[in-house]
Amino acid sequence: AQTVTQSQPEMSVQEAETVTLSCTYDTSENNYYLFWYKQPPSRQMILVIRQEAYKQQNATENRFSVNFQKAAKSFSLKISDSQLGDTAMYFCAFHRVSRDDKIIFGKGTRLHILP
Amino acid sequence: GAVVSQHPSWVICKSGTSVKIECRSLDFQATTMFWYRQFPKQSLMLMATSNEGSKATYEQGVEKDKFLINHASLTLSTLTVTSAHPEDSSFYICSAGPVPGEGYTFGSGTRLTVV
Repeated sequence: AQTVTQSQPEMSVQEAETVTLSCTYDTSENNYYLFWYKQPPSRQMILVIRQEAYKQQNATENRFSVNFQKAAKSFSLKISDSQLGDTAMYFCAFHRVSRDDKIIFGKGTRLHILP
Repeated sequence: GAVVSQHPSWVICKSGTSVKIECRSLDFQATTMFWYRQFPKQSLMLMATSNEGSKATYEQGVEKDKFLINHASLTLSTLTVTSAHPEDSSFYICSAGPVPGEGYTFGSGTRLTVV
């Protein structure tokens, strides 16, 4: 079974700083996707960034980038120039491309951006 | 982009009654939808995978007779909480996506309170 581990329950950084959220996963699959989702206080889940496992190049979306280490099964999220609006719960997620198409979420990291 | 609408956003019901939550894909067809439950400050727990035209697949430990799922069309899945009790109070979220692996879109969630 696939598992996703986020070892940082909570983090706080000053506005404009860079922060890295950690995520590791366990799978025997070779074809899968990894995601970072953001859940602000409104509780709406928002896709931040996605990574295909077969791609070596790390995904980037504006201030958000990932460090994908497939052999180490590591998938960290870096937020540059953090903004107050980045305050949210962040979930790392694993998606096995198969018949069931389930997404497995980590327990989340609560990120506070301090003014 | 893909839009998923979930209704109602909140509901209060009396113990012993049933509540239906709707999840609609507005601009795409979804053969598969997912239902999650989220407790305060916790991660999303997958309850079941809803398959259009067939029976839902429930995760281990989820009572299929209590949480009835119907996916009668390619754009609508419903979750009915039957004979609700206070312990069923929670935040329920659905998700779907036009293309597996592209990142699923989530509904805005339903806060259920059973009194």
